[in-house]
Amino acid sequence: EVQLVESGGGLVQPGGSLRLSCAASGFTFSSYSMNWVRQAPGKGLEWVSYISSSSSTIYYADSVKGRFTISRDNAKNSLYLQMNSLRDEDTAVYYCARGDYVWGSYRYLDYWGQGTLVTVSS
Amino acid sequence: DIQMTQSPSSLSASVGDRVTITCRASQSISSYLNWYQQKPGKAPKLLIYAASSLQSGVPSRFSGSGSGTDFTLTISSLQPEDFATYYCQQSYSTPRVTFGPGTKVDIK
Repeated sequence: EVQLVESGGGLVQPGGSLRLSCAASGFTFSSYSMNWVRQAPGKGLEWVSYISSSSSTIYYADSVKGRFTISRDNAKNSLYLQMNSLRDEDTAVYYCARGDYVWGSYRYLDYWGQGTLVTVSS
Repeated sequence: DIQMTQSPSSLSASVGDRVTITCRASQSISSYLNWYQQKPGKAPKLLIYAASSLQSGVPSRFSGSGSGTDFTLTISSLQPEDFATYYCQQSYSTPRVTFGPGTKVDIK
């Protein structure tokens, strides 16, 4: 059974830092791209960052570029999100999600973790 | 960036009703469109990928259609467990995907 378990959320002051982790199990982690998606309280879903299976390709949403860093450790079946210079508007539940595709190019997020809440407030 | 809109933003329906949700993209995205269901306090769940393909394990009362800029998610006979918020998501500009604002389906 595929499982993704996030951790590391909490309360942090504006300008502070936090590191999120996502522990994966039940599949060959090193074969899949991974993503972080966030959801502000009462709001919709916002894609945050993408990392390819080998870490060779990384993308960020403009809203976090230069402040957040995605990484992974395939030996530990783990995904990370280092968040620096946090702002009030970064307050959200952060989900890790596995990326998959069919027919060569039709991509989707097929498994999601339960999420971890990050609250940025003074 | 590709913008996604959904209509309606919310709807009330009864068990057994046929429900249709519409999603529109700001430019043509071919069939690069996915649908997710999210229940309160839970993670999103993939329902439909590539506009019309049913994810494994998803009941056949869910169906998707459309291509280009206009898409629909249909629930043929609404069940109690289907009351949730539904999001469309374009994967045309993957990995920079964008989601629609969501459609909340609640009990009439």
